[in-house]
Amino acid sequence: SAVISQKPSRDICQRGTSLTIQCQVDSQVTMMFWYRQQPGQSLTLIATANQGSEATYESGFVIDKFPISRPNLTFSTLTVSNMSPEDSSIYLCSVRTGTTGEQFFGPGTRLTVL
Amino acid sequence: QKEVEQNSGPLSVPEGAIASLNCTYSDRVSQSFFWYRQYSGKSPELIMSIYSNGDKEDGRFTAQLNKASQYVSLLIRDSQPSDSATYLCAGGDSSYKLIFGSGTRLLVRP
Repeated sequence: SAVISQKPSRDICQRGTSLTIQCQVDSQVTMMFWYRQQPGQSLTLIATANQGSEATYESGFVIDKFPISRPNLTFSTLTVSNMSPEDSSIYLCSVRTGTTGEQFFGPGTRLTVL
Repeated sequence: QKEVEQNSGPLSVPEGAIASLNCTYSDRVSQSFFWYRQYSGKSPELIMSIYSNGDKEDGRFTAQLNKASQYVSLLIRDSQPSDSATYLCAGGDSSYKLIFGSGTRLLVRP
């Protein structure tokens, strides 16, 4: 499976600010995804990061709040904009490397908004 | 009905026993199924995938899929304290997006 890194691993931010999270993969992958895991809960898909085009967002998530970039097949960023305490979560990127549907997760970014 | 449902647990088993984790799913999820293990403070780790009816074994893990009953399970044989974690069931839809259950917390007692 691919080796996935995320930066930062954790951050504490003030309300109203924005944070950009980076996801780097050591090989080219077909699909990259961004998930949110709120405290004590399971994973919720935010969006699919599409290379060279706009991300595809899931219901309840919008581009103005969670802008995503994917400039190439190994890198993506997720920005959490105008943060509020409700955005305190773990944000995870995942990749699908083949055709089986298996997804592998990065180590996650733990975000706390004060 | 949630698209992927799991009992939140905790499921407590003694060391050496078989742990049985269960998951049901709705019609939206039908293509592929995955079991992830998540230790506290860590990201999910893929441990099993299953795509067709029947059993699939990998070491101490066996995944079982019954599409007629919309049911998928994970058996862990010879459970060890290191198996204590939250186990997430996920189903893939037709576009290969994953839908996760809420997870079952497993505790293996020494």
